[in-house]
Amino acid sequence: EPEVTQTPSHQVTQMGQEVILRCVPISNHLYFYWYRQILGQKVEFLVSFYNNEISEKSEIFDDQFSVERPDGSNFTLKIRSTKLEDSAMYFCASRRGAVRTDTQYFGPGTRLTVL
Amino acid sequence: QKEVEQNSGPLSVPEGAIASLNCTYSDRGSQSFFWYRQYSGKSPELIMSIYSNGDKEDGRFTAQLNKASQYVSLLIRDSQPSDSATYLCAVNIIQGAQKLVFGQGTRLTINP
Repeated sequence: EPEVTQTPSHQVTQMGQEVILRCVPISNHLYFYWYRQILGQKVEFLVSFYNNEISEKSEIFDDQFSVERPDGSNFTLKIRSTKLEDSAMYFCASRRGAVRTDTQYFGPGTRLTVL
Repeated sequence: QKEVEQNSGPLSVPEGAIASLNCTYSDRGSQSFFWYRQYSGKSPELIMSIYSNGDKEDGRFTAQLNKASQYVSLLIRDSQPSDSATYLCAVNIIQGAQKLVFGQGTRLTINP
């Protein structure tokens, strides 16, 4: 069964460094999302991406964040200058279409630790 | 602000009993509702979706939706120790990108 994949599974970085989190969505899906979950807290929406552009972003998704679909299969989240509070699990999700019964499928996540 | 509320628990249920998980949501226009299971350190795994008022059954799981009361619930029959996890209620916000808004999750423990 097709699934969303994410790499790396765990990323450790120093504060102020740039990180790129990678995702490969399910191949026939058109809508892509990033969510994050700080330890012990709820899953929060960051950004959605459709037709090669951002369709919606949350207030968390400030100028330090960017997303890209560089090659038609990968979907990346870049954090330009990481802060301690960026430490969290980051989940990529994809969805086939915009019909209400189309479900979002989540990848296994990347645990980001900022020291 | 679109909100989804769940009792964070922990909810402790003996093996073989019925576990009942509840969720309320604030956006009256919401049309799609999901229950995800999340094991510690893992990603959310979809277990049930429901779109219409009433009950929807899938194996040991039954989702219930009452749009008038803005209430969604999940029943797990014949609870097993492997059902021990955090259960996340999520609502699909239909405006814009149709993002999911999650509740904080209910931690469920099934006691053998």
